[in-house]
Amino acid sequence: DQQVKQNSPSLSVQEGRISILNCDYTNSMFDYFLWYKKYPAEGPTFLISISSIKDKNEDGRFTVFLNKSAKHLSLHIVPSQPGDSAVYFCAASGVGANSKLTFGKGITLSVRP
Amino acid sequence: EAQVTQNPRYLITVTGKKLTVTCSQNMNHEYMSWYRQDPGLGLRQIYYSMNVEVTDKGDVPEGYKVSRKEKRNFPLILESPSPNQTSLYFCASSSSRNSYEQYFGPGTRLTVT
Repeated sequence: DQQVKQNSPSLSVQEGRISILNCDYTNSMFDYFLWYKKYPAEGPTFLISISSIKDKNEDGRFTVFLNKSAKHLSLHIVPSQPGDSAVYFCAASGVGANSKLTFGKGITLSVRP
Repeated sequence: EAQVTQNPRYLITVTGKKLTVTCSQNMNHEYMSWYRQDPGLGLRQIYYSMNVEVTDKGDVPEGYKVSRKEKRNFPLILESPSPNQTSLYFCASSSSRNSYEQYFGPGTRLTVT
């Protein structure tokens, strides 16, 4: 049973526009959420995270929103740039140090010049 | 430079021939983990280690072994590889203070024929 779901496998947006990547989770014990970005032939790299006590976290062009009641989070990239084209993984973790990360399947973002 | 290294990056082998994929990190991280990435399945954890001599199973441990004799190294061992272990493998590490934000290696593409 997939506890972290990224239901859209791909997204294509125009350069300069907003990219919105969605993620849903089923486990109410998750309390920390992360987004990782992955380029081809490289390992995933940490992008941004949010704790369950917050509903928004912003880092430059990247903002993550968390809606706990809906068990939904989203990553907004504004403005989108061609260099943002990559696979984005949503991940979630439970309480406590060294709690394992549960990843979604990933979504491929393509930003058209 | 802080990094996680994996070797080899690419490996083609035959069914039943034992192999080891090495993983090393230079950040003095306590926590290390192995993942496999498969199309449509995202990243799934194979094994993890919270510190030297402390290892535990992840979500898909069957057919794999690990050891953690030194803090910096966390090799993944396939005693008798099978074609269903053909995958892209990632090693990751993180500090015990912030175990959520894992640093990933570049990946090892394994093909078992």
